[in-house]
Amino acid sequence: SQQGEEDPQALSIQEGENATMNCSYKTSINNLQWYRQNSGRGLVHLILIRSNEREKHSGRLRVTLDTSKKSSSLLITASRAADTASYFCATDYSGANSKLTFGKGITLSVRP
Amino acid sequence: EPEVTQTPSHQVTQMGQEVILRCVPISNHLYFYWYRQILGQKVEFLVSFYNNEISEKSEIFDDQFSVERPDGSNFTLKIRSTKLEDSAMYFCASHRRDGGGNTQYFGPGTRLTVL
Repeated sequence: SQQGEEDPQALSIQEGENATMNCSYKTSINNLQWYRQNSGRGLVHLILIRSNEREKHSGRLRVTLDTSKKSSSLLITASRAADTASYFCATDYSGANSKLTFGKGITLSVRP
Repeated sequence: EPEVTQTPSHQVTQMGQEVILRCVPISNHLYFYWYRQILGQKVEFLVSFYNNEISEKSEIFDDQFSVERPDGSNFTLKIRSTKLEDSAMYFCASHRRDGGGNTQYFGPGTRLTVL
């Protein structure tokens, strides 16, 4: 079954640095999404990239998708202390009305 | 900006009791989901719901679980006889059909504690 797995599992950086988080999955997908979760809170959608896209930008976020390697990366540029959170990738494989399969998440700590 | 809401934010119950978790999806959305996240673990899919019926359910979603859309706005998850292992954050999500993509918008979650 498909499964998103992120690495590293934890990342600690200084404010202003860039943070790169990776996600791998096992089966063919339709879309890959990244979510953020602040401690004990809900999931906030960050960005969606479709299987026919290779790169997407949204503000300080850049997502890449390599379907040949079944992997994605999320880059947060010029990180801020407020970016401290857990980040999850989630995949779906059959378009609309499709469940999301989440990875275990990456804990990002941005030191002020 | 429209958002998914969930009530209550925290529910404490005794083992064996029934609980109902409530969600109000975004108003023009057509697809609804429940997920759960046991503390420290990944978010897991429970069930999807469309056109007043279950579209897909996971192995977790056994006979103790049920979902309902009793009116035009609410979407509920019922656990008939709670177990200790049902303690988790439960997230509702909704999605509108559009030209592509599957952006699911999540509510803030209900933390269920079974004692």
